[in-house]
Amino acid sequence: ELKVEQNPLFLSMQEGKNYTIYCNYSTTSDRLYWYRQDPGKSLESLFVLLSNGAVKQEGRLMASLDTKARLSTLHITAAVHDLSATYFCAVVPFSGAGSYQLTFGKGTKLSVIP
Amino acid sequence: GAVVSQHPSWVICKSGTSVKIECRSLDFQATTMFWYRQFPKQSLMLMATSNEGSKATYEQGVEKDKFLINHASLTLSTLTVTSAHPEDSSFYICSGKQGSQPQHFGDGTRLSIL
Repeated sequence: ELKVEQNPLFLSMQEGKNYTIYCNYSTTSDRLYWYRQDPGKSLESLFVLLSNGAVKQEGRLMASLDTKARLSTLHITAAVHDLSATYFCAVVPFSGAGSYQLTFGKGTKLSVIP
Repeated sequence: GAVVSQHPSWVICKSGTSVKIECRSLDFQATTMFWYRQFPKQSLMLMATSNEGSKATYEQGVEKDKFLINHASLTLSTLTVTSAHPEDSSFYICSGKQGSQPQHFGDGTRLSIL
Protein backbone atom coordinates (compact mmCIF):
# COMPACT_ATOMS: atom_id res chain seq x y z
CA GLU A 1 0.00 0.00 0.00
CA LEU A 2 1.34 3.38 -1.01
CA LYS A 3 1.90 5.79 1.86
CA VAL A 4 2.56 9.47 1.39
CA GLU A 5 3.90 11.48 4.31
CA GLN A 6 4.16 15.23 4.41
CA ASN A 7 6.16 17.25 6.87
CA PRO A 8 5.43 19.49 8.54
CA LEU A 9 1.65 19.34 8.87
CA PHE A 10 1.46 22.89 10.16
CA LEU A 11 3.82 25.69 9.35
CA SER A 12 3.73 29.25 10.58
CA MET A 13 6.31 31.54 9.09
CA GLN A 14 7.02 35.20 8.81
CA GLU A 15 6.86 37.08 5.58
CA GLY A 16 10.17 37.17 3.80
CA LYS A 17 11.43 33.89 5.20
CA ASN A 18 12.25 30.69 3.34
CA TYR A 19 11.05 27.22 4.16
CA THR A 20 10.72 23.74 2.69
CA ILE A 21 7.87 21.26 2.83
CA TYR A 22 8.79 17.60 2.44
CA CYS A 23 6.85 14.78 0.84
CA ASN A 24 8.03 11.18 1.26
CA TYR A 25 6.37 8.24 -0.42
CA SER A 26 6.78 4.54 0.08
CA THR A 27 6.75 2.92 -3.37
CA THR A 28 8.00 3.56 -6.86
CA SER A 29 6.03 6.35 -8.46
CA ASP A 30 5.07 7.36 -11.97
CA ARG A 31 4.59 10.97 -11.11
CA LEU A 32 4.10 13.40 -8.25
CA TYR A 33 1.83 16.40 -7.98
CA TRP A 34 1.68 19.42 -5.75
CA TYR A 35 -1.63 21.16 -5.12
CA ARG A 36 -2.78 24.20 -3.23
CA GLN A 37 -6.10 24.38 -1.43
CA ASP A 38 -7.61 27.55 0.00
CA PRO A 39 -10.24 27.26 2.76
CA GLY A 40 -13.55 26.05 1.41
CA LYS A 41 -12.14 25.63 -2.08
CA SER A 42 -11.09 22.77 -4.27
CA LEU A 43 -7.57 21.97 -5.41
CA GLU A 44 -5.42 24.16 -7.59
CA SER A 45 -2.70 22.35 -9.48
CA LEU A 46 0.77 23.75 -8.88
CA PHE A 47 3.30 21.30 -10.28
CA VAL A 48 3.63 17.87 -11.81
CA LEU A 49 6.99 16.16 -11.55
CA LEU A 50 7.65 13.28 -13.87
CA SER A 51 11.26 12.24 -13.57
CA ASN A 52 14.18 11.98 -11.21
CA GLY A 53 15.83 15.34 -10.71
CA ALA A 54 12.86 17.27 -12.06
CA VAL A 55 12.69 20.82 -10.80
CA LYS A 56 9.89 23.26 -11.49
CA GLN A 57 9.45 26.83 -10.35
CA GLU A 58 6.55 29.22 -10.36
CA GLY A 59 6.97 32.51 -8.60
CA ARG A 60 8.09 31.94 -5.02
CA LEU A 61 7.48 28.19 -5.15
CA MET A 62 9.91 25.60 -6.39
CA ALA A 63 9.30 21.86 -6.43
CA SER A 64 11.81 19.09 -6.92
CA LEU A 65 11.75 15.32 -7.13
CA ASP A 66 14.28 12.67 -6.10
CA THR A 67 12.83 9.34 -7.14
CA LYS A 68 15.68 7.36 -5.64
CA ALA A 69 15.05 8.83 -2.22
CA ARG A 70 11.29 8.85 -2.90
CA LEU A 71 11.23 12.45 -1.81
CA SER A 72 9.80 15.64 -3.17
CA THR A 73 10.28 19.09 -1.75
CA LEU A 74 8.29 22.29 -2.11
CA HIS A 75 10.49 25.25 -1.34
CA ILE A 76 9.03 28.62 -0.47
CA THR A 77 11.20 31.65 -1.08
CA ALA A 78 10.57 34.99 0.64
CA ALA A 79 7.09 34.04 1.74
CA VAL A 80 4.21 36.46 1.36
CA HIS A 81 0.80 36.39 3.02
CA ASP A 82 -0.92 35.33 -0.21
CA LEU A 83 0.85 31.99 0.00
CA SER A 84 -1.14 31.06 3.11
CA ALA A 85 -3.04 27.88 2.20
CA THR A 86 -2.87 24.12 2.60
CA TYR A 87 -0.46 22.37 0.28
CA PHE A 88 -0.85 18.73 -0.70
CA CYS A 89 1.47 16.40 -2.49
CA ALA A 90 -0.08 13.47 -4.31
CA VAL A 91 1.57 10.46 -5.84
CA VAL A 92 0.62 8.09 -8.63
CA PRO A 93 2.15 4.69 -7.91
CA PHE A 94 4.07 3.06 -10.69
CA SER A 95 2.02 0.40 -12.34
CA GLY A 96 2.49 -1.36 -15.64
CA ALA A 97 -1.27 -1.27 -16.01
CA GLY A 98 -1.19 2.50 -16.05
CA SER A 99 -3.02 3.25 -12.83
CA TYR A 100 -3.75 6.93 -12.44
CA GLN A 101 -5.10 6.99 -8.91
CA LEU A 102 -3.70 9.69 -6.71
CA THR A 103 -2.72 9.06 -3.12
CA PHE A 104 -2.59 12.28 -1.16
CA GLY A 105 -0.43 13.33 1.74
CA LYS A 106 -2.16 14.79 4.78
CA GLY A 107 -1.38 18.31 3.70
CA THR A 108 0.69 21.13 5.13
CA LYS A 109 -1.22 24.11 6.42
CA LEU A 110 0.91 27.16 5.82
CA SER A 111 0.25 30.43 7.57
CA VAL A 112 2.41 33.38 6.58
CA ILE A 113 2.43 36.07 9.21
CA PRO A 114 3.01 39.70 8.24
CA GLY B 1 -7.16 24.61 -19.78
CA ALA B 2 -9.38 21.67 -19.01
CA VAL B 3 -12.40 22.55 -16.89
CA VAL B 4 -14.49 20.36 -14.64
CA SER B 5 -17.77 21.79 -13.43
CA GLN B 6 -19.31 20.42 -10.24
CA HIS B 7 -22.84 21.15 -9.13
CA PRO B 8 -24.20 22.05 -6.66
CA SER B 9 -21.48 23.82 -4.73
CA TRP B 10 -23.36 23.66 -1.45
CA VAL B 11 -26.33 21.62 -0.33
CA ILE B 12 -28.11 21.36 2.99
CA CYS B 13 -30.75 18.72 3.48
CA LYS B 14 -32.54 16.71 6.08
CA SER B 15 -31.39 13.34 7.28
CA GLY B 16 -32.79 10.47 5.23
CA THR B 17 -32.95 12.29 1.93
CA SER B 18 -30.90 11.48 -1.14
CA VAL B 19 -28.59 14.00 -2.75
CA LYS B 20 -27.19 13.96 -6.27
CA ILE B 21 -23.95 15.71 -7.20
CA GLU B 22 -23.02 16.25 -10.83
CA CYS B 23 -19.56 16.44 -12.30
CA ARG B 24 -19.12 17.57 -15.89
CA SER B 25 -16.04 17.90 -18.03
CA LEU B 26 -16.67 20.98 -20.15
CA ASP B 27 -13.93 20.92 -22.76
CA PHE B 28 -12.55 17.40 -22.77
CA GLN B 29 -13.78 13.85 -22.68
CA ALA B 30 -13.30 12.38 -19.24
CA THR B 31 -12.64 8.72 -19.80
CA THR B 32 -12.09 8.33 -16.07
CA MET B 33 -13.66 10.21 -13.22
CA PHE B 34 -12.75 10.07 -9.57
CA TRP B 35 -14.78 10.96 -6.52
CA TYR B 36 -13.10 12.13 -3.33
CA ARG B 37 -14.34 12.99 0.13
CA GLN B 38 -12.63 15.45 2.43
CA PHE B 39 -13.56 15.86 6.08
CA PRO B 40 -12.61 19.10 7.85
CA LYS B 41 -8.90 19.58 8.34
CA GLN B 42 -8.16 16.27 6.63
CA SER B 43 -6.78 15.20 3.31
CA LEU B 44 -8.69 13.96 0.28
CA MET B 45 -9.70 10.34 0.38
CA LEU B 46 -10.54 8.54 -2.83
CA MET B 47 -14.00 7.04 -2.72
CA ALA B 48 -14.32 5.50 -6.15
CA THR B 49 -13.02 5.47 -9.69
CA SER B 50 -15.34 5.24 -12.65
CA ASN B 51 -14.64 4.63 -16.30
CA GLU B 52 -17.23 5.69 -18.84
CA GLY B 53 -19.71 2.96 -19.47
CA SER B 54 -18.43 0.71 -16.70
CA LYS B 55 -19.34 0.13 -13.09
CA ALA B 56 -17.41 2.20 -10.59
CA THR B 57 -14.63 0.68 -8.54
CA TYR B 58 -15.04 1.57 -4.89
CA GLU B 59 -12.29 1.91 -2.34
CA GLN B 60 -12.28 -0.26 0.72
CA GLY B 61 -14.74 0.92 3.31
CA VAL B 62 -16.93 2.90 0.90
CA GLU B 63 -20.47 1.52 0.67
CA LYS B 64 -21.40 1.13 -2.97
CA ASP B 65 -25.10 0.94 -2.14
CA LYS B 66 -24.96 4.22 -0.29
CA PHE B 67 -22.79 6.16 -2.73
CA LEU B 68 -24.17 5.47 -6.18
CA ILE B 69 -21.93 6.53 -9.03
CA ASN B 70 -23.02 6.77 -12.63
CA HIS B 71 -20.67 7.61 -15.49
CA ALA B 72 -22.93 7.19 -18.47
CA SER B 73 -21.18 9.61 -20.81
CA LEU B 74 -17.70 10.97 -21.42
CA THR B 75 -18.67 14.32 -19.98
CA LEU B 76 -20.88 13.51 -17.01
CA SER B 77 -20.57 11.55 -13.81
CA THR B 78 -22.96 11.69 -10.89
CA LEU B 79 -22.64 10.74 -7.25
CA THR B 80 -25.85 10.09 -5.36
CA VAL B 81 -25.68 9.89 -1.60
CA THR B 82 -28.67 7.79 -0.65
CA SER B 83 -30.46 8.16 2.66
CA ALA B 84 -27.89 10.68 3.82
CA HIS B 85 -27.12 11.04 7.51
CA PRO B 86 -25.14 13.66 9.45
CA GLU B 87 -21.99 11.56 9.31
CA ASP B 88 -22.08 11.87 5.52
CA SER B 89 -21.60 15.61 5.82
CA SER B 90 -18.36 16.38 4.06
CA PHE B 91 -16.73 18.15 1.13
CA TYR B 92 -17.04 16.02 -1.99
CA ILE B 93 -14.70 16.67 -4.92
CA CYS B 94 -14.75 15.08 -8.33
CA SER B 95 -12.02 14.99 -10.91
CA GLY B 96 -11.89 13.94 -14.52
CA LYS B 97 -9.10 12.85 -16.77
CA GLN B 98 -8.65 11.89 -20.36
CA GLY B 99 -6.30 9.03 -21.07
CA SER B 100 -2.95 9.59 -19.39
CA GLN B 101 -3.48 13.31 -18.88
CA PRO B 102 -3.50 14.78 -15.35
CA GLN B 103 -6.69 14.89 -13.33
CA HIS B 104 -8.68 18.11 -13.38
CA PHE B 105 -10.63 18.85 -10.24
CA GLY B 106 -14.10 20.27 -9.82
CA ASP B 107 -14.80 23.05 -7.34
CA GLY B 108 -16.26 20.67 -4.80
CA THR B 109 -19.64 20.26 -3.14
CA ARG B 110 -20.13 20.99 0.52
CA LEU B 111 -22.80 18.63 1.83
CA SER B 112 -24.43 19.30 5.18
CA ILE B 113 -26.96 16.84 6.53
CA LEU B 114 -29.14 18.09 9.38
